[in-house]
Amino acid sequence: KQEVTQIPAALSVPEGENLVLNCSFTDSAIYNLQWFRQDPGKGLTSLLLIQSSQREQTSGRLNASLDKSSGRSTLYIAASQPGDSATYLCAVRNHDKVIFGPGTSLSVIP
Amino acid sequence: GAGVSQSPRYKVAKRGQDVALRCDPISGHVSLFWYQQALGQGPEFLTYFQNEAQLDKSGLPSDRFFAERPEGSVSTLKIQRTQQEDSAVYLCATKGGADTGELFFGEGSRLTVL
Repeated sequence: KQEVTQIPAALSVPEGENLVLNCSFTDSAIYNLQWFRQDPGKGLTSLLLIQSSQREQTSGRLNASLDKSSGRSTLYIAASQPGDSATYLCAVRNHDKVIFGPGTSLSVIP
Repeated sequence: GAGVSQSPRYKVAKRGQDVALRCDPISGHVSLFWYQQALGQGPEFLTYFQNEAQLDKSGLPSDRFFAERPEGSVSTLKIQRTQQEDSAVYLCATKGGADTGELFFGEGSRLTVL
């Protein structure tokens, strides 16, 4: 059974810092991995999607890496801004079931 | 439509009441998923449809939960005889048949059972 964990559970950083969020999964036979952002009271917004054959994806200040063999993904956020404050969720897809981690709550302090 | 649409956005029910939550997928999206998200936690899988076929309902917590997608488009999640532990946000997600595998989520329906 696929299990997804995220570390840390919460993170508070001053504006401008670079930061890394971690996601681990137990079953490496994944189809893809997707990082989402969730603002309070809102749905999920897709940030980056990494296919199982890929090692990383980049979008603006965001970079996500995938190491399938070790069951890990990282989301790197460069030059953090207060507007980045949200919960970040990773989700792995095995066949047609998508399993989420519990999320990392990020606060960027102005 | 442009995105996944869910209604109602907010629902308050008295314990024992039946509720129905609706999901309008992105036009043409074949796959549809329902998730339950408790406060402060990640979404938990409930059920999955491919067109009108319900291929996986292993995540439904009890037989009080029922989902349908009769014409392969709009889906309804029904909860009978609601209990306080059913209070959560119910999220719908869809993905297309030409599959990059990317999931697109609606804003969710927040259910509060009193």
